[in-house]
Amino acid sequence: DAGVIQSPRHEVTEMGQEVTLRCKPISGHNSLFWYRQTMMRGLELLIYFNNNVPIDDSGMPEDRFSAKMPNASFSTLKIQPSEPRDSAVYFCASRQQGSPNSNQPQHFGDGTRLSIL
Amino acid sequence: AQTVTQSQPEMSVQEAETVTLSCTYDTSESNYYLFWYKQPPSRQMILVIRQEAYKQQNATENRFSVNFQKAAKSFSLKISDSQLGDTAMYFCASLYSGNTPLVFGKGTRLSVIA
Repeated sequence: DAGVIQSPRHEVTEMGQEVTLRCKPISGHNSLFWYRQTMMRGLELLIYFNNNVPIDDSGMPEDRFSAKMPNASFSTLKIQPSEPRDSAVYFCASRQQGSPNSNQPQHFGDGTRLSIL
Repeated sequence: AQTVTQSQPEMSVQEAETVTLSCTYDTSESNYYLFWYKQPPSRQMILVIRQEAYKQQNATENRFSVNFQKAAKSFSLKISDSQLGDTAMYFCASLYSGNTPLVFGKGTRLSVIA
């Protein structure tokens, strides 16, 4: 089975440009998570969706960040305009949310390394 | 807020030796799940092992095992016969409700030395 697929794997762009990161969750998973990882701050949850609906976006750092999930098989994280401090590895993860007693782990994509010059 | 604490930012171990990574968590929930993830230099996040809080028996996956102390809210990871490929960042994580994200610790960087 295909895992969580993220694209691009690497992105280098100049500050001020719009950046769009993409994610395809595992088929059948109904929750999707976006994380940012930096040396200084570690792994931060930015936003997550249940059944394509954003549930908690309190981790989104600024209005420059936005995320959408138009359907169960696709999500985007957009940064506009981008700044050098946005440089990080961005992970997408998905999970099958079941009953309250479900113990399903989150499955991660390989991440997008974003560098803003 | 639910929290997960990994108090060892970095550790090292000699190849073939055993190492234990610490993790504590804080919750008032009665049922929850705990996980260890491994992130090698390739940056993939790989699930290593999981533990259900209602199970008293410690989970084991080949060379990886946990010491789950529910009363102490402790969930340590033991790696036996360490291999160079075990060099990675290790994250402890907890799941308190089926509809919420995992809560991650800040990670422990493990180096296996030849």
